[in-house]
Amino acid sequence: SQQGEEDPQALSIQEGENATMNCSYKTSINNLQWYRQNSGRGLVHLILIRSNEREKHSGRLRVTLDTSKKSSSLLITASRAADTASYFCATEETGANSKLTFGKGITLSVRP
Amino acid sequence: EAGVAQSPRYKIIEKRQSVAFWCNPISGHATLYWYQQILGQGPKLLIQFQNNGVVDDSQLPKDRFSAERLKGVDSTLKIQPAKLEDSAVYLCASNVHTDTQYFGPGTRLTVL
Repeated sequence: SQQGEEDPQALSIQEGENATMNCSYKTSINNLQWYRQNSGRGLVHLILIRSNEREKHSGRLRVTLDTSKKSSSLLITASRAADTASYFCATEETGANSKLTFGKGITLSVRP
Repeated sequence: EAGVAQSPRYKIIEKRQSVAFWCNPISGHATLYWYQQILGQGPKLLIQFQNNGVVDDSQLPKDRFSAERLKGVDSTLKIQPAKLEDSAVYLCASNVHTDTQYFGPGTRLTVL
């Protein structure tokens, strides 16, 4: 079963614009992670936010977590053509022993 | 540091045939995961190993899928016999005691 539901399913923006992607989940979690997948490749870890954290930054990435609403958002600032990829949120449920449950993903296209 | 290695990268078989995939995790990573990613969806965990023991195989279709990690290092995933709906990318990931999972490039399986 898939716990995380990303929104929107697809996003197309111009280079230099910001991209915001949202994820909602259903159960209590230890942490929430965002991964990127380029076409035909494996997943690459981007950022992790723990259940007791509200916001984290990593380079051009900003992630927020609202455990009361069971939702997270990923912001990519000043997007580049190289950011074109699929983005997945993944949740580690409480007591899940590091098992991750992934959403269906968001397809981001950044136009040069 | 070498990444997670998988082979083959691509495989095409007829339905009812058998197929095996191989994964070599990052050196020292005790936990190894096999995921199935159907086109347009997020990865779904099939099985999780801690060293050579199974932690979670609740979503592994055990009537046709099997996996082993005999020496606690590399692992094989087998499908016997394959069905059309097994067409997917099979991803291997590993980690130590951190939350981040490191993914291999995947094996794209096409069942005709």
